[in-house]
Amino acid sequence: EPEVTQTPSHQVTQMGQEVILRCVPISNHLYFYWYRQILGQKVEFLVSFYNNEISEKSEIFDDQFSVERPDGSNFTLKIRSTKLEDSAMYFCASSESWQQNQPQHFGDGTRLSIL
Amino acid sequence: AQSVAQPEDQVNVAEGNPLTVKCTYSVSGNPYLFWYVQYPNRGLQFLLKYITGDNLVKGSYGFEAEFNKSQTSFHLKKPSALVSDSALYFCAVRDGKAAGNKLTFGGGTRVLVKP
Repeated sequence: EPEVTQTPSHQVTQMGQEVILRCVPISNHLYFYWYRQILGQKVEFLVSFYNNEISEKSEIFDDQFSVERPDGSNFTLKIRSTKLEDSAMYFCASSESWQQNQPQHFGDGTRLSIL
Repeated sequence: AQSVAQPEDQVNVAEGNPLTVKCTYSVSGNPYLFWYVQYPNRGLQFLLKYITGDNLVKGSYGFEAEFNKSQTSFHLKKPSALVSDSALYFCAVRDGKAAGNKLTFGGGTRVLVKP
């Protein structure tokens, strides 16, 4: 069964450094998402992306965050200047269409640890 | 605004006994409801969804969920639990009246099935 893949599985970064989290969505999917889960808290929506544009973003997704689809397969989340509170599990997801009844399929996540 | 509540942090059940994981939701429009399961060090795996139609929805691995509009609930059920069902379960909702496709998750319920 096709899967969403994320790399790296664990990223350790010094506060203030830039970090890029990478995702390869399922190949025929057109809609991409990032969510995060701070330890012990709920899974929270960050951003959705379609046709090389952000479709929707949450209040968490401020100017420090950006997303990009640099080629036909990768989908990246960049945090420009990391803070301690950015430490979390980051999940990438994709869905086949924009229809609200379509499930989103998630990767295994990247654990981001900010020191 | 859309929200989800999972009132139980943990559910313990003996193998072979029925399993129920509770979920209630709040939306403005029609709800699109999803259950996901998370095994250790893995991402969120889609189990089943309710969009419209029959209130009893069947999904993967013998799981089913019952939609109850009057109680705004979408409880996950399995008639006979297995030890391998031990995992973290998340209920999620998408508001049919809202623009965008973001999922709002509950806090998760840890299921422990004892042999």
